Amino acid sequence: KAGVTQTPRYLIKTRGQQVTLSCSPISGHRSVSWYQQTPGQGLQFLFEYFSETQRNKGNFPGRFSGRQFSNSRSEMNVSTLELGDSALYLCASSFIRSGTSGSSSYEQYFGPGTRLTVT
Amino acid sequence: GENVEQHPSTLSVQEGDSAVIKCTYSDSASNYFPWYKQELGKRPQLIIDIRSNVGEKKDQRIAVTLNKTAKHFSLHITETQPEDSAVYFCAASRGASGSARQLTFGSGTQLTVLP
Repeated sequence: KAGVTQTPRYLIKTRGQQVTLSCSPISGHRSVSWYQQTPGQGLQFLFEYFSETQRNKGNFPGRFSGRQFSNSRSEMNVSTLELGDSALYLCASSFIRSGTSGSSSYEQYFGPGTRLTVT
Repeated sequence: GENVEQHPSTLSVQEGDSAVIKCTYSDSASNYFPWYKQELGKRPQLIIDIRSNVGEKKDQRIAVTLNKTAKHFSLHITETQPEDSAVYFCAASRGASGSARQLTFGSGTQLTVLP
């Protein structure tokens, strides 16, 4: 199977602009999560989409939003960009697997990321 | 919410030696603990994971142990090789349903294997 893909790979924007990032999950995966990675804050959860619905949201301002389409592809939008939004944005494709004794796991596979630079 | 602490932040070992990275978590309801390896300029890659009903899991030179009582888990790499050099992240989540799927990551460990 093809892996998770993200476009574009690199973006340079100026403060105040908005940006849209795209993520295509592994075929058959219905859940897409987004993370922001910065040297100072590490990997931080933004939100998760499953079956076109936002299921979970991290502690980010409302300028960060997303959506998921019927083919499971997801987009993330950041409006009114700030310098601090410069980061690597990673999406992760997920499936749910039931384990033994009623346990379950939630394996996430990451895309290559979009490097956003805000000037 | 969940908080994951990871130590050490940097680790240097000689090729062939073992490396151990430790993480602690705060949410006793967490039951899934993956480890990711991220090489410079590349995506995080899932290398091994463990569920709360298992105390240890091995995959060739890599092993993970989990102590639910103490709420900590560790990554063990034996016979380290230069290609093991990377940043390693631990993570925790409460499972597979609804809002539990969020992964909380540790701050990462830069592992350097010296030839």
